[in-house]
Amino acid sequence: NAGVTQTPKFQVLKTGQSMTLQCAQDMNHNSMYWYRQDPGMGLRLIYYSASEGTTDKGEVPNGYNVSRLNKREFSLRLESAAPSQTSVYFCASRVEDRAWYQETQYFGPGTRLLVL
Amino acid sequence: DAKTTQPPSMDCAEGRAANLPCNHSTISGNEYVYWYRQIHSQGPQYIIHGLKNNETNEMASLIITEDRKSSTLILPHATLRDTAVYYCIVRVASGANSKLTFGKGITLSVRP
Repeated sequence: NAGVTQTPKFQVLKTGQSMTLQCAQDMNHNSMYWYRQDPGMGLRLIYYSASEGTTDKGEVPNGYNVSRLNKREFSLRLESAAPSQTSVYFCASRVEDRAWYQETQYFGPGTRLLVL
Repeated sequence: DAKTTQPPSMDCAEGRAANLPCNHSTISGNEYVYWYRQIHSQGPQYIIHGLKNNETNEMASLIITEDRKSSTLILPHATLRDTAVYYCIVRVASGANSKLTFGKGITLSVRP
């Protein structure tokens, strides 16, 4: 199992450019998440998807769009990048368990984005 | 979800136990305590969670006080690879739409 994979690992954009961050998981998880982490800060939730075909806003959704392409893949799109979106982006998926209340998320390695 | 309070940093010697405290004085009866850690430049990693009983797994032990207002994560024999930011998170179980809220965590430095 590769777990949660993210592409690209690094990206430099100019202000106004667009790009899509890709995330895939091979653990058959229903729920997937996108977080951002700024220097010295904890993670903040951008969007999440509780199941294929559904998406919901998190704490900081402005400037982003998401697509839950299928059960495996959850992409994050920046339509017009701004310097304030310079950050490290983490994707995660949530383990499904007989005890449904378990909040165990598995995280990808992150995408480091610099917007100039 | 209840708010948690952690000191910003602590250190311990390699091979010794690392005891990481967390206060969650407003925790409700149906809220769980979760611990994650983030090693530099990596994604967070689940460690352990509990409701009211003490828990132990291959990574760590979680001690929750009887009134559940605080907890301690114990790494029994800390190694240099345990140097990381540790996050204490309290949340209600809410099924498919459940979300985690990460604070700033506590930075653990393990010294040789």
